[in-house]
Amino acid sequence: GAVVSQHPSRVICKSGTSVKIECRSLDFQATTMFWYRQFPKKSLMLMATSNEGSKATYEQGVEKDKFLINHASLTLSTLTVTSAHPEDSSFYICSVRTSWDEQFFGPGTRLTVL
Amino acid sequence: AQRVTQPEKLLSVFKGAPVELKCNYSYSGSPELFWYVQYSRQRLQLLLRHISRESIKGFTADLNKGETSFHLKKPFAQEEDSAMYYCALMRGSQGNLIFGKGTKLSVKP
Repeated sequence: GAVVSQHPSRVICKSGTSVKIECRSLDFQATTMFWYRQFPKKSLMLMATSNEGSKATYEQGVEKDKFLINHASLTLSTLTVTSAHPEDSSFYICSVRTSWDEQFFGPGTRLTVL
Repeated sequence: AQRVTQPEKLLSVFKGAPVELKCNYSYSGSPELFWYVQYSRQRLQLLLRHISRESIKGFTADLNKGETSFHLKKPFAQEEDSAMYYCALMRGSQGNLIFGKGTKLSVKP
């Protein structure tokens, strides 16, 4: 399978600041990565599909100007939460899609906005 | 509408008892379904997918198109099976996954 890392594992920021979360595919060249959001004791909600070298595809209801996704290389996708507010506090998880249609997940990033 | 339903939030069984975690789906195309598991303090990982027809850690799942179900079963539960289980449906050509809300399995000694 693919090994996926995320950085940072947790971040606390003030309201109004921007936070960047990195997702790295350590041993697989991923043309497609996904970003999910997980609320406490709830399921994963797909936010967007990150495509290497092109614009991300956002799910309905996800603000693309607030959640900026960049997938500049086959091993790195970044999610930037702009002008973060307390309601953006959540667990953000990325995954890598392999050529055999399986997804391998990162460990997640806990974002807390004060 | 594309949807995955896991009706049970929590399932508690004793060690050695059979387990069935329910999953129903709604999808207009030909479904591709997965079960993912998340052990305590670990990341989500694939348990099995219906096209591989494998048995992983003693778990099996059969796709029933008539009942639109993909229930996960194990004949004899072990304590180490305690975890959160998510059923997921792959949607579209990009491989997006739609997850159910998950079922927490607790296996008591």
